[in-house]
Amino acid sequence: GAVVSQHPSRVICKSGTSVKIECRSLDFQATTMFWYRQFPKQSLMLMATSNEGSKATYEQGVEKDKFLINHASLTLSTLTVTSAHPEDSSFYICSARNRLAANEQFFGPGTRLTVL
Amino acid sequence: QKEVEQDPGPLSVPEGAIVSLNCTYSNSAFQYFMWYRQYSRKGPELLMYTYSSGNKEDGRFTAQVDKSSKYISLFIRDSQPSDSATYLCAMSLGGYQKVTFGTGTKLQVIP
Repeated sequence: GAVVSQHPSRVICKSGTSVKIECRSLDFQATTMFWYRQFPKQSLMLMATSNEGSKATYEQGVEKDKFLINHASLTLSTLTVTSAHPEDSSFYICSARNRLAANEQFFGPGTRLTVL
Repeated sequence: QKEVEQDPGPLSVPEGAIVSLNCTYSNSAFQYFMWYRQYSRKGPELLMYTYSSGNKEDGRFTAQVDKSSKYISLFIRDSQPSDSATYLCAMSLGGYQKVTFGTGTKLQVIP
């Protein structure tokens, strides 16, 4: 099956710092990638949709200036959490949609962010 | 009312049992239906997807969609301890539309 990687898998940072998370589709091209947050025992909450070469589309209530998304190529999207605060601590998961099979969406392994 | 409702469980079954996982939804326009498996502290893994109503089988897994009732199911035959995970249903309006997830059902298969 298609593989999506995320880096780093875990990050601990101090309040006020910025953290960048990378999402890569390893064996397919993804014109669209998605970024989700997941709180314990809750479902995935879509934060934004990232399209290669264009600005990301953010869901209602998600601050675009705080969660910067860049989709520079067909295999890479990055999420930068700027000026992180403890309430930003969460499990961040990206997914990538196969350009050739739009119904299939593959998820990365997730990044656990802890802001002290 | 949530767009997608899923019993969070936990659901505990003995090894070898048949497991039935279900979701209901409110938007009759949903066309694509997926089931994901998520192990603890991992990203979801796509198990199956179906288009519109009907059944789809893949090994020990069978997905059913009943659009008239707005109800989807995932059956797991001969359940194994390795099936212990959280199962998320998901659905979308079309291939390029965003996916809406259920909250997930935690399944534990006891040896």
